[in-house]
This record gives sequence, structure tokens and C-alpha cells, in this order.
Amino acid sequence: NAGVMQNPRHLVRRRGQEARLRCSPMKGHSHVYWYRQLPEEGLKFMVYLQKENIIDESGMPKERFSAEFPKEGPSILRIQQVVRGDSAAYFCASSLGRPSETQYFGPGTRLLVL
Amino acid sequence: LAKTTQPISMDSYEGQEVNITCSHNNIATNDYITWYQQFPSQGPRFIIQGYKTKVTNEVASLFIPADRKSSTLSLPRVSLSDTAVYYCLVGEGLTGGGNKLTFGTGTQLKVEL
Repeated sequence: NAGVMQNPRHLVRRRGQEARLRCSPMKGHSHVYWYRQLPEEGLKFMVYLQKENIIDESGMPKERFSAEFPKEGPSILRIQQVVRGDSAAYFCASSLGRPSETQYFGPGTRLLVL
Repeated sequence: LAKTTQPISMDSYEGQEVNITCSHNNIATNDYITWYQQFPSQGPRFIIQGYKTKVTNEVASLFIPADRKSSTLSLPRVSLSDTAVYYCLVGEGLTGGGNKLTFGTGTQLKVEL
């Protein structure tokens, strides 16, 4: 049973470009979470999605960031017009059920904005 | 919203027991407490999860007092490979309802010979 998969593992963008980060949850998991980890800092919750629905986006910046989890395919975290402050590791996690159930994390995507 | 706090760092020696405490005095009534281990450049790895009292698995124990405002991760007989950052994860109750997923501030454990 494959774990949570994220791609790309590393992503380099210039300021103003768009970044698309993908997450495939564990098989059978329909709950997906995105977290951000700034350099030398802890993990911060961004958004929680179930298939086709955003359940909680209280941790998402109000502008430039969006997330989706379509009926078919991976969850996508999209960052428009990236700035240097967006440079961070972005982790995706999935769970079988509601957030209090065990979340399993992917290896992360490291975004570097030049 | 109260922060979920942990000691910044801890040092230990191989073979010792290590206890790391997380303070989460705003934990939601119906939420679990989960602990993760993170190595540099990797995603967090699940260690243990509990709701109340004590939980034990093959790698750790988790102690949760009756008020659930804190929890203690216990690692028996640590080795060099346990050097990592340890995080607690809880759902914090929000005024008006709902929970906010919150990681603790993280504890850097360093194990030496």
C-alpha cells in the first residue's frame, strides 16, 4: 500500500510565476491536509479538504493560494504570483476519516522562489 | 488562541528514557493527541496517538492526564537514530465551534553516546 505521494519533490520558481503542488493520498483515504513549514520553523496548518470540498481553509493566506481535491486525481495546492516569502516545504497528509484520525504525511515539496 | 507549546530542545544519552511534554490547554473536547517525528528534509512520521490516560505501542508511550491539557511522549532507551524533532498535533477548539489543527512548537531531541 503506497504511502502519501507528493510531486514534485523540489520546485524552483521565479517571482511572479505560478507553483502547482500535487498530492496523492494513501489508497482509501478521502481526507487531505496541507501544511507549510518555513525554514527553521514548525508546521502550520493550511487547508483541509475532502473529495471535491474544502472543509477548513482557515490557515490559507487570503490571496494567491488555493487548493482543490477533485473527484478524480490528486489534490492540488496552487500558489499564484509567487514571492520569495513563499519559499518553504509544503507537506500533504491524508487520513481515512475525520482530522482526529491518524494523518499520514508525504515527503513534501520544497519550493524555492528566486 | 493559546499556543500549543513544547520545550525547544532536549539532550539525552543512548539508553536513557526521554519524556517530552506538550502543553495544549485549549484542546477540543472530541479531539485526539498525535505525536510525530521529523528528520531533516523529510515529512513527519507518525509515532503514537491517544485520547486519554495511557497508550503504548512498540516504539513509545503516551501519557495524558485527566484534564487533557497536556500530554507526555515517552521514548524508552533512546538511540542515536532518535535524534530528530518531535511534534504534537491537536485540534484546538474555536470560539463559535469547530476545531483548528495545530502543531506544537516542536522539540529538537539530541541523543549522544
